[in-house]
Amino acid sequence: DVKVTQSSRYLVKRTGEKVFLECVQDMDHENMFWYRQDPGLGLRLIYFSYDVKMKEKGDIPEGYSVSREKKERFSLILESASTNQTSMYLCASGAGYGYTFGSGTRLTVV
Amino acid sequence: AQSVTQLDSHVSVSEGTPVLLRCNYSSSYSPSLFWYVQHPNKGLQLLLKYTSAATLVKGINGFEAEFKKSETSFHLTKPSAHMSDAAEYFCVVSHSLGAGNMLTFGGGTRLMVKP
Repeated sequence: DVKVTQSSRYLVKRTGEKVFLECVQDMDHENMFWYRQDPGLGLRLIYFSYDVKMKEKGDIPEGYSVSREKKERFSLILESASTNQTSMYLCASGAGYGYTFGSGTRLTVV
Repeated sequence: AQSVTQLDSHVSVSEGTPVLLRCNYSSSYSPSLFWYVQHPNKGLQLLLKYTSAATLVKGINGFEAEFKKSETSFHLTKPSAHMSDAAEYFCVVSHSLGAGNMLTFGGGTRLMVKP
């Protein structure tokens, strides 16, 4: 089975901190994605990557950056965390034939 | 531009009765379509997918969906609901964007199952 592993299940950070959310997949997928999920807003795409060192902005990239130095790892970075970035963050990898999601990281910024 | 509309934000059924979750999409190209389920505090699990083979797609846990190009629909059905089906369901379209693929999500449908 394809596994997408997110490094933390729950995270609490302070306003202004730099936050790293890590995602690792084990199926050699080119495409990887970061979404945030908020009640009433559904899933919104933050960034995606279709190859090492390649990235594309999604619908809500402001306040975030990403890094993909190796094919299996896609990191989401909050340069200076703010309370409005409190959310569930979901990573996914795959291609047109199917996508696998991680279990999510619930981030609270206080 | 691609978009996905889930026509009902909430659906409530009694256990043992049929389930219908509606999804319409718009896509400039032949899309790949998926249904995912999310149980509370869990990640998303793939239920089924359509990738231009048979138009009636069978998935896990007794769910199936029919791709109707003329209606641009991909509705999810199950003959008999079970309490464990209570969850949020997402219809998703995948399409090429540049050298990669992009997913567009519907707004989700929360399924409630009454005993």
